[in-house]
Amino acid sequence: DGGITQSPKYLFRKEGQNVTLSCEQNLNHDAMYWYRQDPGQGLRLIYYSQIVNDFQKGDIAEGYSVSREKKESFPLTVTSAQKNPTAFYLCASTEGVAGANVLTFGAGSRLTVL
Amino acid sequence: DQQVKQNSPSLSVQEGRISILNCDYTNSMFDYFLWYKKYPAEGPTFLISISSIKDKNEDGRFTVFLNKSAKHLSLHIVPSQPGDSAVYFCAASAFNNDMRFGAGTRLTVKP
Repeated sequence: DGGITQSPKYLFRKEGQNVTLSCEQNLNHDAMYWYRQDPGQGLRLIYYSQIVNDFQKGDIAEGYSVSREKKESFPLTVTSAQKNPTAFYLCASTEGVAGANVLTFGAGSRLTVL
Repeated sequence: DQQVKQNSPSLSVQEGRISILNCDYTNSMFDYFLWYKKYPAEGPTFLISISSIKDKNEDGRFTVFLNKSAKHLSLHIVPSQPGDSAVYFCAASAFNNDMRFGAGTRLTVKP
């Protein structure tokens, strides 16, 4: 079955540590996204990538980094510069680079900073 | 800057009645609008969409209305069922594939 796999599902981090969240898709989608969900704030865009080796900052990119070395993979690193990293992180993808596209989401990763 | 706004954080309706969820947007470049449904600890799933060239799209019990002049869209669910209880997100995208979401509205359908 095609879909998006996010791992780990739960992650605990000590302050000052970098962590990387994995996102893999086998849908052959061109565009991939990372969103962060906080209570009462909906989904906020962190980064998105329309093609391999290219990505753009979203609304809250500070303290995060991404790479897109392969079409199917879009890992997100939460760095120690991110002041409030505890949140639910969602990865998504969509085919094509323009027009009417529906995002397919992974199941999410919950990061908790201890 | 919140480009997509859902001003009602929650909505409660009786089973069998109509649920109306509202969404406003500020970016006139948005040309495609979607509604997603989300259960706790899961990713959102696509529900229904509408292109900016239309003002209504219907799929079974779900209808989305778009008023471009007011930069407003709404989702109607008729009749509402307890299984519809979830958080509903409004989303909008522009030609560059940049998709933005509202804060969500938690719908509770009471039996």
